[in-house]
Amino acid sequence: DAGVTQSPTHLIKTRGQQVTLRCSPKSGHDTVSWYQQALGQGPQFIFQYYEEEERQRGNFPDRFSGHQFPNYSSELNVNALLLGDSALYLCASSLRGPNEQFFGPGTRLTVL
Amino acid sequence: AQSVTQLGSHVSVSEGALVLLRCNYSSSVPPYLFWYVQYPNQGLQLLLKYTTGATLVKGINGFEAEFKKSETSFHLTKPSAHMSDAAEYFCAVSDTGGFKTIFGAGTRLFVKA
Repeated sequence: DAGVTQSPTHLIKTRGQQVTLRCSPKSGHDTVSWYQQALGQGPQFIFQYYEEEERQRGNFPDRFSGHQFPNYSSELNVNALLLGDSALYLCASSLRGPNEQFFGPGTRLTVL
Repeated sequence: AQSVTQLGSHVSVSEGALVLLRCNYSSSVPPYLFWYVQYPNQGLQLLLKYTTGATLVKGINGFEAEFKKSETSFHLTKPSAHMSDAAEYFCAVSDTGGFKTIFGAGTRLFVKA
């Protein structure tokens, strides 16, 4: 079992550009959550996907959007990038409910 | 709304000493509580979790935590620190549906030889 995988590992973009991050959940998991972790801070919840729908959302603007595919993999899209979007983006998968989340290694996004 | 406060952004202990990392939570519903560890340049790994039942929860690597409802606390302890315990530790709270997990700001643990 490969666990949760994320791609790419690192990404450099300029302000105003758009970015897509990808996540493959652990085998058997049906729920994917995305987090933003700024340097020196805890992960901040962006949103959660289950059954291809956004089920819950944190305090992030509409520039942050996502998608879940029938195979449970997920994408995080960020439009009109700002310098403040520079962070480690973590994907976590789980079974539906308050179960243990398994985290991927993250994608480090740098916005110049 | 739920929130988590971790007291102390940095904690330093000597090898073999007691580790105590503090976490207080706020929740309007019975909380599910978690402790995660993050090693440099890695994702988070679950140490232990409290859902219901026994309030003293044992996790991996010798860590344990006690849920104290009256104090709204979920402190993490380990009797004897090892050098390999040096990492960032995050306390988190989830609603009972598991829809949203809120993390604390983290506590970096340093272990001195």
